[in-house]
Amino acid sequence: DAMVIQNPRYQVTQFGKPVTLSCSQTLNHNVMYWYQQKSSQAPKLLFHYYDKDFNNEADTPDNFQSRRPNTSFCFLDIRSPGLGDAAMYLCATSRGLSQETQYFGPGTRLLVL
Amino acid sequence: EDQVTQSPEALRLQEGESSSLNCSYTVSGLRGLFWYRQDPGKGPEFLFTLYSAGEEKEKERLKATLTKKESFLHITAPKPEDSATYLCAADPYQGGSEKLVFGKGTKLTVNP
Repeated sequence: DAMVIQNPRYQVTQFGKPVTLSCSQTLNHNVMYWYQQKSSQAPKLLFHYYDKDFNNEADTPDNFQSRRPNTSFCFLDIRSPGLGDAAMYLCATSRGLSQETQYFGPGTRLLVL
Repeated sequence: EDQVTQSPEALRLQEGESSSLNCSYTVSGLRGLFWYRQDPGKGPEFLFTLYSAGEEKEKERLKATLTKKESFLHITAPKPEDSATYLCAADPYQGGSEKLVFGKGTKLTVNP
């Protein structure tokens, strides 16, 4: 089945130690998104790629970076995780930007010690 | 400012007790309204997309409707496996920004 895959499902890191989360998709969608979701809150968009074009949300901290080496893969790098970065990180994809359904992966739960 | 408000925040139902979840939106033009189901510790699962007022979509015990100001997710004769958080999100007309506006969700618990 075509899908959005995230690895790992759970990630534990230490305060200030860089961490990378990965997302892959078999849907061949043009757009890939990264969201941060904290407990009982709505998902918060960090950035998205339309093909190779990167779009950063204005309030996304500089600590968060992303890479999309090809259509299928997208990575979220957190350069120096703080305790406040502990959250669920969701990857989503869509065919296009307007009126298109976003399909989410299972998420990666990040714990910062 | 574009805003989506879901009510109630939490809802407890007995199995078989039908009810509705509300999603009110204030956006600068609506391109689409999306409903998702999210189980604890998992990513949102797509349920429905509605594009215009008067539109309705159904899937098993769920039916989503849309007016010019709000959307409802009707749950008919719910079962315990329908327990989850239901998120709605609006896709507004935004110059230069392609971002869904999410509500905080309604946490539904269906007791056997």
